[in-house]
Amino acid sequence: ELKVEQNPLFLSMQEGKNYTIYCNYSTTSDRLYWYRQDPGKSLESLFVLLSNGAVKQEGRLMASLDTKARLSTLHITAAVHDLSATYFCAVDPRGAQKLVFGQGTRLTINP
Amino acid sequence: GAVVSQHPSRVICKSGTSVKIECRSLDFQATTMFWYRQFPKQSLMLMATSNEGSKATYEQGVEKDKFLINHASLTLSTLTVTSAHPEDSSFYICSAPVTAGLGTEAFFGQGTRLTVV
Repeated sequence: ELKVEQNPLFLSMQEGKNYTIYCNYSTTSDRLYWYRQDPGKSLESLFVLLSNGAVKQEGRLMASLDTKARLSTLHITAAVHDLSATYFCAVDPRGAQKLVFGQGTRLTINP
Repeated sequence: GAVVSQHPSRVICKSGTSVKIECRSLDFQATTMFWYRQFPKQSLMLMATSNEGSKATYEQGVEKDKFLINHASLTLSTLTVTSAHPEDSSFYICSAPVTAGLGTEAFFGQGTRLTVV
């Protein structure tokens, strides 16, 4: 059974600090997705990582993918309150956009 | 980017009634759409794949007679929750894949919060 596991599930941090969310998956997947979800809202696409070694950055967020280790990371630099949300990673093992999601990481950034 | 519109955004219904949720691709055609369910404070779980012009395919454990899916056109898929019960209360999200540039990516609707009382 395919598993996508995020770590940590809950993260409370102070503004200005750096932190990393980890996403491990148990089967082959050529691509990995990161999404943000605000309370009561749908998913906002953050990154699509297409190949081994891919690194993408947008503002204070940077995502990377190691397909050999089946690991992706989402790094937050100098966190600000507006980044408080739940972050999901997802993989597409069947290659048909039938996504399998991690449990989500609820990030709270305190002033 | 591509736009997927879902309606309604919120619905409250009485136990035993049926509720229809619509998912539309606004600026592209979608032969396939996906329906996910998200219980409070949990992750998204794929329920079914909606196929234009043919039967939907359901994930293991999802009752096809309870969650009726119709994909009658290239821009519209509907999910009907029949004989809804409080345990069906959840956040339902549709998505549609779009192929462009570097590959295929899923675009999500705004979600529908269903509350069954």
